[in-house]
Amino acid sequence: GENVEQHPSTLSVQEGDSAVIKCTYSDSASNYFPWYKQELGKRPQLIIDIRSNVGEKKDQRIAVTLNKTAKHFSLHITETQPEDSAVYFCAASITGNQFYFGTGTSLTVIP
Amino acid sequence: DAGITQSPRHKVTETGTPVTLRCHQTENHRYMYWYRQDPGHGLRLIHYSYGVKDTDKGEVSDGYSVSRSKTEDFLLTLESATSSQTSVYFCAIGQATSGTEAFFGQGTRLTVV
Repeated sequence: GENVEQHPSTLSVQEGDSAVIKCTYSDSASNYFPWYKQELGKRPQLIIDIRSNVGEKKDQRIAVTLNKTAKHFSLHITETQPEDSAVYFCAASITGNQFYFGTGTSLTVIP
Repeated sequence: DAGITQSPRHKVTETGTPVTLRCHQTENHRYMYWYRQDPGHGLRLIHYSYGVKDTDKGEVSDGYSVSRSKTEDFLLTLESATSSQTSVYFCAIGQATSGTEAFFGQGTRLTVV
């Protein structure tokens, strides 16, 4: 099956700085890569996703990049704010099949 | 938000007792999933269903069984609960044909004492 690795496990940044979280996957058939944000005590919620036919996608302060050759994808958060503090999960999926999640990154934005 | 609810939200049970968690959706999604979330392990798939009476195992299925007799309901059963099954359990739904993201329920915190 697919194996998704996520780094770092914890990340602290100053407010206003950028944060980058990286994930690698093993199955070249994976073609859909969502990112989730989970606040304390809440459910994971989708923040951005990318499909294998796209190299980069941006939504305001959040962007995701995908390198299919290297089998890695990254989440970029610019101009971080305290409300960005949460646990972030990457995932990989073969369309219509299982979602495989990374182990999560706990992001702390220091005011 | 997608219409997905889990019950109960919290449960404490004793070792060796059976426990059933329920996931109910109103979105008519074909795919439903059960995950457990533990510190340092992220979200791990227990079982999933791709239709009524169609289920398959995930990476951590030992000690768990599932059933899906209706499109809207997906049940997770711990046949004989153990302390290692203390966890937060999330149900999720996804739209297989378009490959959209998984929508999660609110989660069930299960404690086995």
